[in-house]
Amino acid sequence: EIVMTQSPATLSVSPGERATLSCRASQSLSSNLAWYQQKPGQAPRLLIYGASTRATGIPARFSGSESGTEFTLTISSLQSEDFAVYYCQQYNNWPLTFGGGTKVEIK
Amino acid sequence: QVQLVESGGGLVKPGGSLRLSCAASGFTFSDYYMSWFRQAPGKGLEWVSYISSSSDYTNYADSVKGRFTISRDNAKNSLYLQMNSLRAEDTAVYYCARDYGYSSSWDIFDYWGQGTLVTVSS
Repeated sequence: EIVMTQSPATLSVSPGERATLSCRASQSLSSNLAWYQQKPGQAPRLLIYGASTRATGIPARFSGSESGTEFTLTISSLQSEDFAVYYCQQYNNWPLTFGGGTKVEIK
Repeated sequence: QVQLVESGGGLVKPGGSLRLSCAASGFTFSDYYMSWFRQAPGKGLEWVSYISSSSDYTNYADSVKGRFTISRDNAKNSLYLQMNSLRAEDTAVYYCARDYGYSSSWDIFDYWGQGTLVTVSS
């Protein structure tokens, strides 16, 4: 099973600032990495797949990148609606696995 | 618009059974692979099971293999999860989700239901 490790667990950011979230895989994923956003009491929302492709309707302030087994989600200028928990998910191997999440909170 | 609505959750004793349903609308259900996920209270996401568009293929997480059964009825636009031999550690919100791929498995999920809570406790 591929283990996904997200850091930090909590990120405190002021509105308008940049947020950088990290996700590390225990083995190569061949870019098969997705990011989801989840707000309290809501279902997850697909943001990014293929490590860097934005899903339909996702604003351009969300971007993804990769370097080996390290993946990064960047939110260029945080809006109030972006404060949420973010999960990475690998889909290179079964079982599909998620990271533990990063909570982005208002500083 | 695409909608997924789960139902069937509730309180059940350890060793008991529940059947979850997911009613789909707003898309051609028979064209998409579907999955179940769960999220224990205050915890992260866990994939539980998937089923191909025509029910030819299914797969399960090791944690539920042999106890849970996924199925679908394309005529009724519905997905199901039969859960037997339930344990306290199965307590979670259960979500159904649509695979992003059309008639194929991309293993990423673009639409999710709002979830149904399953509580396993004596």
